[in-house]
Amino acid sequence: DSGVTQTPKHLITATGQRVTLRCSPRSGDLSVYWYQQSLDQGLQFLIQYYNGEERAKGNILERFSAQQFPDLHSELNLSSLELGDSALYFCASSVDSTAKAFFGQGTRLTVV
Amino acid sequence: ELKVEQNPLFLSMQEGKNYTIYCNYSTTSDRLYWYRQDPGKSLESLFVLLSNGAVKQEGRLMASLDTKARLSTLHITAAVHDLSATYFCAVDKYNNNDMRFGAGTRLTVKP
Repeated sequence: DSGVTQTPKHLITATGQRVTLRCSPRSGDLSVYWYQQSLDQGLQFLIQYYNGEERAKGNILERFSAQQFPDLHSELNLSSLELGDSALYFCASSVDSTAKAFFGQGTRLTVV
Repeated sequence: ELKVEQNPLFLSMQEGKNYTIYCNYSTTSDRLYWYRQDPGKSLESLFVLLSNGAVKQEGRLMASLDTKARLSTLHITAAVHDLSATYFCAVDKYNNNDMRFGAGTRLTVKP
């Protein structure tokens, strides 16, 4: 158990809908990262937050947004969903950017 | 644009043998990461390499970084079946932290 909790584990939704994925980091970790893994695109870094502030941005679509709350949990919002958004979404946390990150079990999103 | 290439993409090796996975990247980067992923599972962070010449070892795995050559290696010593997994490298920069991943190396260790 990495100590990082992601919910839900599975999500099936229709095109055009909006979903929210949640991540609770390890106790004491200030950085939260979001990644997408799909067969087509491989692993992609989406976004990083550090202590509530956006720290780095990767290949995140404009239809996607994220935030980190004062209690350090984070949410990834995906809107106007398309079939191509079907993927595994991982959250990870670390003390800071130079430290090893610990990954949650992922949320498998299926858009139908 | 930052590109990351891993090779080989597939590696089948016998237990007890040594082998190296290579990770090349196209532009100057500040951090190099290695991850492991078991089939159907999440990612596990193995190493974070921060400077030229950095070498880190854990068990049968040793990672090194040559920033001048834009090359990192993951060396496997005396492979065992439990090392079978997909290994990813990734790089990013301090100021422009857009992290990029390699395609992954699927390692199979046979008895």
